[in-house]
This record gives sequence, structure tokens and C-alpha cells, in this order.
Amino acid sequence: NAGVMQNPRHLVRRRGQEARLRCSPVKGHSHVYWYRQLPEEGLKFMVYLQKENIIDESGMPKERFSAEFPKEGPSILRIQQVVRGDSAAYFCASSGVPITEAFFGQGTRLTVV
Amino acid sequence: SQQGEEDPQALSIQEGENATMNCSYKTSINNLQWYRQNSGRGLVHLILIRSNEREKHSGRLRVTLDTSKKSSSLLITASRAADTASYFCATDEIMDSSYKLIFGSGTRLLVRP
Repeated sequence: NAGVMQNPRHLVRRRGQEARLRCSPVKGHSHVYWYRQLPEEGLKFMVYLQKENIIDESGMPKERFSAEFPKEGPSILRIQQVVRGDSAAYFCASSGVPITEAFFGQGTRLTVV
Repeated sequence: SQQGEEDPQALSIQEGENATMNCSYKTSINNLQWYRQNSGRGLVHLILIRSNEREKHSGRLRVTLDTSKKSSSLLITASRAADTASYFCATDEIMDSSYKLIFGSGTRLLVRP
């Protein structure tokens, strides 16, 4: 299966810890998007990356959140000093060219206790 | 910014009936996409309709787009219990060098067997 792979699927962190979410895009895709979803809500855009570059991080909180998409390896969404309000499902999507069909991963469900 | 808004928020129908979901958006688009999300899972791309298209079919799915009214509809004919899911419309937002999909809040469809 050459789809978008996210891991872990479930992540539990205590308040104040760091959460690292990984996303391997479809092979050959250079555009990666991260979204956040609260229960019973739609997906909220966080950040758009191309290889080694952050193109648009307008949806990502300025503090505690960071994202990268290195030349080699998966894209990483990093949340430092997590708080209860960070509990959500985080989805990664990739596309071969911008804004065509986006392929989504199964998401990482972060629970902060 | 929230671009697409789906209507209704929830829909319950009997198996075999048709289901119609609507999406309204605010700004000009290049294309509009519909996605499906089963509970606890990632999003699956259903169909993409370009701004110069008025109607598109894919199996039991029919999508219409009215750019003058800034609205789209998704029709699922002869529904099945397996169609139970949340359905989201997504529009493209292109600003500077950034491309991103903006999702609505979704329609939760329940198909009763």
C-alpha cells in the first residue's frame, strides 16, 4: 500500500510533554498538508509544506507547534509542552501537485492527560 | 478561514433512498472536492469538480456546481448502509505561493438498513 502513512495511530501524553507525529506521504508526492480535527467537526488547516520548505503555516499556533518536511524522511508535526486542548485527531495529506486530489492518512489521535 | 459550509449537518435516511448534501462557499475557486470520512478514519477522496464544470458523475455519486451561487451538491443515489459516514466539501484557497484545501464542517449521513 503506497498511501499516506501516519504514526503513531494513537498517542497519549501527559501535560507538559512533547508529542511528535510522523507522516510519510505517497511516494513521489512533494506536497504535504497537516490538518487538525476535533470531534464532530471539520478539518482545520494547520500547515502546508514542500520538501524542506514551509510554504504556509497560517493555521498553526505560533507557540509550541512546529512542522518540518526534510529532504529525506517523513514530515514531522511537533507539539511541545502539550496541554489538554491539544487533544484532537491530526491528519496528514499529500498531493503530487498542489490542490488536486489529496490523499489522507488515517490520522494520529492525540490524547493529553 | 472557513470556506465551505455543508447543509444539513445531519441526515438520516432509509436504505435505498437518495441522499442530497449541499455545500456553500464564499470566495472564487478553481475546483471543489468532496471527501468521505468513516468514523475514526481518514478522509477518502470521492470526486473533484472544476470551476468550469456544472455536473459530474461517478458511480452512484452525482455532483453539481453552481459558481454563480457559490454552491455545490452531492447526491448519493440508492443509498446503502455502508454509505453511513461524514461527507465534507473542500475548496481550494490559493494565496501567494500557498495552496490549501479548506474544509466545511461536514454532513453526517446515517443510512438505516
